[in-house]
Amino acid sequence: EDQVTQSPEALRLQEGESSSLNCSYTVSGLRGLFWYRQDPGKGPEFLFTLYSAGEEKEKERLKATLTKKESFLHITAPKPEDSATYLCAVQAVYSSASKIIFGSGTRLSIRP
Amino acid sequence: DAMVIQNPRYQVTQFGKPVTLSCSQTLNHNVMYWYQQKSSQAPKLLFHYYDKDFNNEADTPDNFQSRRPNTSFCFLDIRSPGLGDAAMYLCATSRDAGSKNIQYFGAGTRLSVL
Repeated sequence: EDQVTQSPEALRLQEGESSSLNCSYTVSGLRGLFWYRQDPGKGPEFLFTLYSAGEEKEKERLKATLTKKESFLHITAPKPEDSATYLCAVQAVYSSASKIIFGSGTRLSIRP
Repeated sequence: DAMVIQNPRYQVTQFGKPVTLSCSQTLNHNVMYWYQQKSSQAPKLLFHYYDKDFNNEADTPDNFQSRRPNTSFCFLDIRSPGLGDAAMYLCATSRDAGSKNIQYFGAGTRLSVL
């Protein structure tokens, strides 16, 4: 069964304290891995998509990396406005072409 | 500019009273999705339309139905809401099916069942 597991469930950092969020997945063939940001009471906002091991994407203080079993979202010198839930999702090769499977997310809180 | 628009943002209904949630898009995307998200949980796909073709997830209850009258609009109908159906309902779109097709989400509708 396809699974996406995110850790930690919650992470509290001081402003400027860099860290990483983990997304591990088990699928029989990966089409793509997606990172989304979700603010309370809102829909997920697309951040990155990665397709092959070794690929990296960057946007401001965020950097996403991908291996054959997991992805990391690195956050460098975070600011309070980076506080949100970060969701990881995968699209499997064999599944319905449109379906992606989400993890439960990591709730990130940045203290000023 | 909002590209995936959900109405209403908040909906309160009574136990067993039918309710309809609305989603519209200005992206002219072929695929539209409905997800259910409960507090601190992953979004769960209910169904999606590829153009006019309806694709239901195997574990989506019969209580949930959907309509897509045209490319721009998609509706989620809950025929007899139960207390367990209280959740955030998310609409998303993607240009096409297959790989490299990013899903874009609306702001969601928060459904309360009294």
